[in-house]
Amino acid sequence: EAGVTQFPSHSVIEKGQTVTLRCDPISGHDNLYWYRRVMGKEIKFLLHFVKESKQDESGMPNNRFLAERTGGTYSTLKVQPAELEDSGVYFCASSQDQGASGNTIYFGEGSWLTVV
Amino acid sequence: AQSVTQLGSHVSVSEGALVLLRCNYSSSVPPYLFWYVQYPNQGLQLLLKYTSAATLVKGINGFEAEFKKSETSFHLTKPSAHMSDAAEYFCAVRGSGYSTLTFGKGTMLLVSP
Repeated sequence: EAGVTQFPSHSVIEKGQTVTLRCDPISGHDNLYWYRRVMGKEIKFLLHFVKESKQDESGMPNNRFLAERTGGTYSTLKVQPAELEDSGVYFCASSQDQGASGNTIYFGEGSWLTVV
Repeated sequence: AQSVTQLGSHVSVSEGALVLLRCNYSSSVPPYLFWYVQYPNQGLQLLLKYTSAATLVKGINGFEAEFKKSETSFHLTKPSAHMSDAAEYFCAVRGSGYSTLTFGKGTMLLVSP
């Protein structure tokens, strides 16, 4: 069974450009999460989807970030326009039943974003 | 509210020595606790988790962790380090009823021959 897959694995863009990251969760997982780790900092929560609905987007840093999950399947995270401080690793994760907090959250390998 | 503190951003051990990575948590509700590992240029992989069953949890690659409520700790141990254990380790908490994980800052484990 495929795990959480993310694309692209690495991206280098100029300040002011747009980047779209894609995440395919594990099949059957209704819960999808985005996290990120900027250089030297801890991994921080961005937002949480349950199917196609945004359950919690309290971690989104500002309105330059837009996340979507069309049809409750894959998700995209768009950064527009990108700033230097957006550089870091963006992790996508998925899990089954949200109600069981002990359920494992499975992470992808991350999308490494560098803004120059 | 929930938070995690990992003591030591870097821990160095010799191959064959005991590994001890410290994690203390804070949670206003019963916590679920996790250790994840990130090998160089790879994603996050679950090592083990505590979900209110046995307080001593065994994970992959010979790692284990003990949940101590009185000390609000969930330290990760391995009796004998191997070179392949060199990686960054993250402790995370998820309070009952919370949907998200809160991570510590991570501890880089360095293993020398």
